[in-house]
Amino acid sequence: EADIYQTPRYLVIGTGKKITLECSQTMGHDKMYWYQQDPGMELHLIHYSYGVNSTEKGDLSSESTVSRIRTEHFPLTLESARPSHTSQYLCASSGGQGLSFGPGTRLTVT
Amino acid sequence: QKEVEQNSGPLSVPEGAIASLNCTYSDRGSQSFFWYRQYSGKSPELIMSIYSNGDKEDGRFTAQLNKASQYVSLLIRDSQPSDSATYLCAVSGGYNFNKFYFGSGTKLNVKP
Repeated sequence: EADIYQTPRYLVIGTGKKITLECSQTMGHDKMYWYQQDPGMELHLIHYSYGVNSTEKGDLSSESTVSRIRTEHFPLTLESARPSHTSQYLCASSGGQGLSFGPGTRLTVT
Repeated sequence: QKEVEQNSGPLSVPEGAIASLNCTYSDRGSQSFFWYRQYSGKSPELIMSIYSNGDKEDGRFTAQLNKASQYVSLLIRDSQPSDSATYLCAVSGGYNFNKFYFGSGTKLNVKP
């Protein structure tokens, strides 16, 4: 059973604020991913990591940044939130048998 | 051309029928194929994985892979209303080995 944790689950924040979405996994997986998904729409890869100190941008351009200092931790940061960042953010990890997703963070920027 | 193509649906089937979901992919070097189920407002959940040509069965679910045709399908037997969800096809292991490419999903409605 995959154990991926995301916090917060819901966040409403004002324009211009800096936010960090947390993602942690307990499986020791090297590969971790961030996806963005609007309601009823498809998943878009925004960042991924092969392991500690490796990060890559995904297929959807994003103003967010990520870091991977520890294997289990893959936080996503928005320096200045805007209403266009309103979306669901899904973190996932892979140990070689497909992706396991966390519960997601629903972000609303007012 | 998108990496993974799916019919968006909705696909409506009566309870107890077989639901057939299809997916095509563009990277012939892809090696791993997955089906995810996503309920509204929830995150995707892995339900089937398949790595070689042929059929793979798990309970009411059967995944089928045809690499020559670059085609993956999912059959759901004895469909239940609780199977109503969006089904996402995902592919990995191609030219960008570490990426997972998702289709846009097929919405399945199982009518009681």
